[in-house]
Amino acid sequence: AQSVTQLDSQVPVFEEAPVELRCNYSSSVSVYLFWYVQYPNQGLQLLLKYLSGSTLVKGINGFEAEFNKSQTSFHLRKPSVHISDTAEYFCAVTPYFGNEKLTFGTGTRLTIIP
Amino acid sequence: EPEVTQTPSHQVTQMGQEVILRCVPISNHLYFYWYRQILGQKVEFLVSFYNNEISEKSEIFDDQFSVERPDGSNFTLKIRSTKLEDSAMYFCASSNYRATYEQYFGPGTRLTVT
Repeated sequence: AQSVTQLDSQVPVFEEAPVELRCNYSSSVSVYLFWYVQYPNQGLQLLLKYLSGSTLVKGINGFEAEFNKSQTSFHLRKPSVHISDTAEYFCAVTPYFGNEKLTFGTGTRLTIIP
Repeated sequence: EPEVTQTPSHQVTQMGQEVILRCVPISNHLYFYWYRQILGQKVEFLVSFYNNEISEKSEIFDDQFSVERPDGSNFTLKIRSTKLEDSAMYFCASSNYRATYEQYFGPGTRLTVT
């Protein structure tokens, strides 16, 4: 079984400042990792994914994440945030083989302060 | 860009009533999923569906839940006798056979059981 921990439920950040949203996971098998974003009153949108290869992955809207196998982490970063980045961010994993179900973290609400 | 759609966006029902939540997955996708998110909690997997049958279900998906693909476009979730604790946001997702791990989510249906 897999589990995902997002350590920060809320992160307030000033506009144009950098941000890091933390995600740690636990799994007995290899997993694919994802970050999803949920804007107010909208569904979940895939932000980026790590499948294999380079541990630094780039996604939409200037976000990137780094996979660290030894620390079982997949932290999300952006060097300069904008008001439009205000949203809920979810980290998720699914195992390489077998079922396709996604296991989500509890989410981090990113609030941008003007 | 193709997207997953869900109707209704908000459903209010009385305890004990049956509800059907509807989803139209992306047209060339073959794998379908339902997830739910109780307010303030994490997104949880309910069921996955492929080739007209359930491929996996969670412990949440008990006998009061059922899924169906009644035609070539819709994918439905039925809750036979709703309980107060079924109040949640329900998300439909779909993926294609080449990348079942990359799931595209709909905007969700907020179910309120009174």
